[in-house]
Amino acid sequence: GAVVSQHPSRVICKSGTSVKIECRSLDFQATTMFWYRQFPKQSLMLMATSNEGSKATYEQGVEKDKFLINHASLTLSTLTVTSAHPEDSSFYICSASLPGQGKTEAFFGQGTRLTVV
Amino acid sequence: GDSVTQMEGPVTLSEEAFLTINCTYTATGYPSLFWYVQYPGEGLQLLLKATKADDKGSNKGFEATYRKETTSFHLEKGSVQVSDSAVYFCALSDGGGSARQLTFGSGTQLTVLP
Repeated sequence: GAVVSQHPSRVICKSGTSVKIECRSLDFQATTMFWYRQFPKQSLMLMATSNEGSKATYEQGVEKDKFLINHASLTLSTLTVTSAHPEDSSFYICSASLPGQGKTEAFFGQGTRLTVV
Repeated sequence: GDSVTQMEGPVTLSEEAFLTINCTYTATGYPSLFWYVQYPGEGLQLLLKATKADDKGSNKGFEATYRKETTSFHLEKGSVQVSDSAVYFCALSDGGGSARQLTFGSGTQLTVLP
């Protein structure tokens, strides 16, 4: 099956610094990737849709300048949490689908546990 | 809007016990329903799915039936194994089943003891 790799799996950073999370499709090309966030004991919430070669589409309430998304190639999307604060501490997870009509199964990365201290 | 309500965990069972994880949903229209599983240190994997009412999804001994009348998609397994220990997510898609439209439940941590 298709593999999506996410890195790092855990990161601790100081308030005010920026953190970059990478999401790679290892054995397929993904024109679209998705970023989710999960608070403790809550659902995964879609943050944004990452489109290769164009701007990301953000969900309502998600700050574009806070969560910078870059999808510069068909196998890599990055999420940068800028000027991180403790309230940004969360579990972030990406997903991608195989290209082509009818290929709707989502493949997920391992997730990144971000802790801002 | 769409929502998924999932049985809260954690759930701890002995090996060979019967498992049920409840999942109910609210959606406009006719969603597709999914169960995803996340093993320790790994990403979410699709466990099973059902795309219309009365469909039964099954995989690895797990089953779930799409019940439109009760808006439910409960996950069951007759005899769990230690290797089934993981977090299970119920999810719905409000059209087409694309990843864009997935709405997740909060997840249920399952621990199976030998």
